[in-house]
Amino acid sequence: SAVISQKPSRDICQRGTSLTIQCQVDSQVTMMFWYRQQPGQSLTLIATANQGSEATYESGFVIDKFPISRPNLTFSTLTVSNMSPEDSSIYLCTGGGDAYNEQFFGPGTRLTVL
Amino acid sequence: AQSVAQPEDQVNVAEGNPLTVKCTYSVSGNPYLFWYVQYPNRGLQFLLKYITGDNLVKGSYGFEAEFNKSQTSFHLKKPSALVSDSALYFCAVREKDDKIIFGKGTRLHILP
Repeated sequence: SAVISQKPSRDICQRGTSLTIQCQVDSQVTMMFWYRQQPGQSLTLIATANQGSEATYESGFVIDKFPISRPNLTFSTLTVSNMSPEDSSIYLCTGGGDAYNEQFFGPGTRLTVL
Repeated sequence: AQSVAQPEDQVNVAEGNPLTVKCTYSVSGNPYLFWYVQYPNRGLQFLLKYITGDNLVKGSYGFEAEFNKSQTSFHLKKPSALVSDSALYFCAVREKDDKIIFGKGTRLHILP
């Protein structure tokens, strides 16, 4: 199984600012995925990040709001830009690429926007 | 697109009784199905998966799930519930591009 770590684990931010979340996987993975979990809700996929290409965003999510980088096969970042209180969520990343393996999640980043 | 449905927002079970958390799926082709659990203020933990093979899949913490193709279901079960099983449970399906799509979740309460 893969071990996922994220930084920061939590943050409290002011409206209008941006936060970059880092995700590190302990093994190389083809794809990395970013999810959002709003309070009391399920996980919603934000985007898929492949190395060397632009991320693919799900409906309702745009690059200007959630820019993603994927510089290598073990690392990715998600930036939450121009934050508002509605962005308060847990943000989780995971890695995948093998159709027969489950995806493992890190503890996530708990973001509160004031 | 693939999807899963969890018809129950909450399930209450007395400690020691068997528990079932329901999940139905809608997929084209062979389904890759998963169950995850989320304990309060903790990350998402993988419980078990069905890819192919035996319809009864055994996972972590004594949980198992039964894949039923005719009923398009993948219910999570445990013979004897523990208070520590109280958590939020997610059924999930893997799409062909490896994205995982989650159900809305079922909150399981085990009553002492």
